[in-house]
Amino acid sequence: NAGVMQNPRHLVRRRGQEARLRCSPMKGHSHVYWYRQLPEEGLKFMVYLQKENIIDESGMPKERFSAEFPKEGPSILRIQQVVRGDSAAYFCASSLRSGGAYNEQFFGPGTRLTVL
Amino acid sequence: GQQLNQSPQSMFIQEGEDVSMNCTSSSIFNTWLWYKQDPGEGPVLLIALYKAGELTSNGRLTAQFGITRKDSFLNISASIPSDVGIYFCAGQLPGSARQLTFGSGTQLTVLP
Repeated sequence: NAGVMQNPRHLVRRRGQEARLRCSPMKGHSHVYWYRQLPEEGLKFMVYLQKENIIDESGMPKERFSAEFPKEGPSILRIQQVVRGDSAAYFCASSLRSGGAYNEQFFGPGTRLTVL
Repeated sequence: GQQLNQSPQSMFIQEGEDVSMNCTSSSIFNTWLWYKQDPGEGPVLLIALYKAGELTSNGRLTAQFGITRKDSFLNISASIPSDVGIYFCAGQLPGSARQLTFGSGTQLTVLP
């Protein structure tokens, strides 16, 4: 399977706990994006990363949320001290580094976070 | 933030019919993308558009990048049951470092 992979697919946390969401981009892609989707809404941009760099985090809440894309391993979206309002589907997308296709972002299956 | 107005919000059509949906904005976009999302899954890219006026087809799907760069439409011809799902438009604003702005989606139901 050469697609974008996300895990876990479903995550349940109690208020105050930490949530870690993982994303492995498509092979050959070095650009990763995280989006959040509330029920019956479109996706909202959170953060854009390249390997070891955060390029644009303008859509990510300033507190409790962080993201990384290390040199080795998957990209991680981390939510500390989760609250009920964090319950949503979190999608990761990836795109090619440069040339060829412009901004075709391919999405993973998402992680559905439920905060009790 | 910037908004994409997607319409209609939902559609009920008979199998075999054609369907059209569109997105408009007050802002200019560099790129328009159309995605389909099935329940419990991530969006799947259908068509990508990069130039004003561009008309692109993918099987029974046809999409156009509006000449003003502020709108796009998606047409589906001869609908079939598997076309059921939510269709999203997404655009990239100039200077937005590749982030996509999504419309609110069109829920398509195909009746047998």
